[in-house]
Amino acid sequence: DQQVKQNSPSLSVQEGRISILNCDYTNSMFDYFLWYKKYPAEGPTFLISISSIKDKNEDGRFTVFLNKSAKHLSLHIVPSQPGDSAVYFCAASEPGNQFYFGTGTSLTVIP
Amino acid sequence: DVKVTQSSRYLVKRTGEKVFLECVQDMDHENMFWYRQDPGLGLRLIYFSYDVKMKEKGDIPEGYSVSREKKERFSLILESASTNQTSMYLCASRDLGDGYTFGSGTRLTVV
Repeated sequence: DQQVKQNSPSLSVQEGRISILNCDYTNSMFDYFLWYKKYPAEGPTFLISISSIKDKNEDGRFTVFLNKSAKHLSLHIVPSQPGDSAVYFCAASEPGNQFYFGTGTSLTVIP
Repeated sequence: DVKVTQSSRYLVKRTGEKVFLECVQDMDHENMFWYRQDPGLGLRLIYFSYDVKMKEKGDIPEGYSVSREKKERFSLILESASTNQTSMYLCASRDLGDGYTFGSGTRLTVV
């Protein structure tokens, strides 16, 4: 059973607007969450992380929000740029364990 | 800069062949992982290793084996390749408390 879910396979956003990518998880023991970005024919690259002791982490145009009670996290990209077009994976892990990945959301930023 | 290197970017193999996918990391990480990525399925864990000569099955180990003779090298072996093993294979390593560092991936096609 999928422990990490990304229910939107794709998302299109106009350049300059906000992109919001969502992720839900089922395991309340998860304490560390990541977002990865992946271009075709390349490995995923780390984007931003958040631990369960925080509810927000910001890095430039990227902000991750964590709602532990809802078991939900989201990635906000503001402003969106065409170079942000990629597949985004969220991932979660228990302390010291493997990461579980969502199925990915393909973001297209329209110039 | 942290690096995970996968020896081949693209491979084409015949059904029934034995296939070796090599992964080397230069970060002295204890933990290494093999995932495969398929459209709509996200990243699924095949095998992982917490130390030299140690290996653990992930979610989809059938048809695969691994070898970790040295800390820096983690090999994925397809004993007898089949067409349903056509996929993107991703190697990752991790230090405790951090996220994964991924290799650039190997696109394997089994014909």
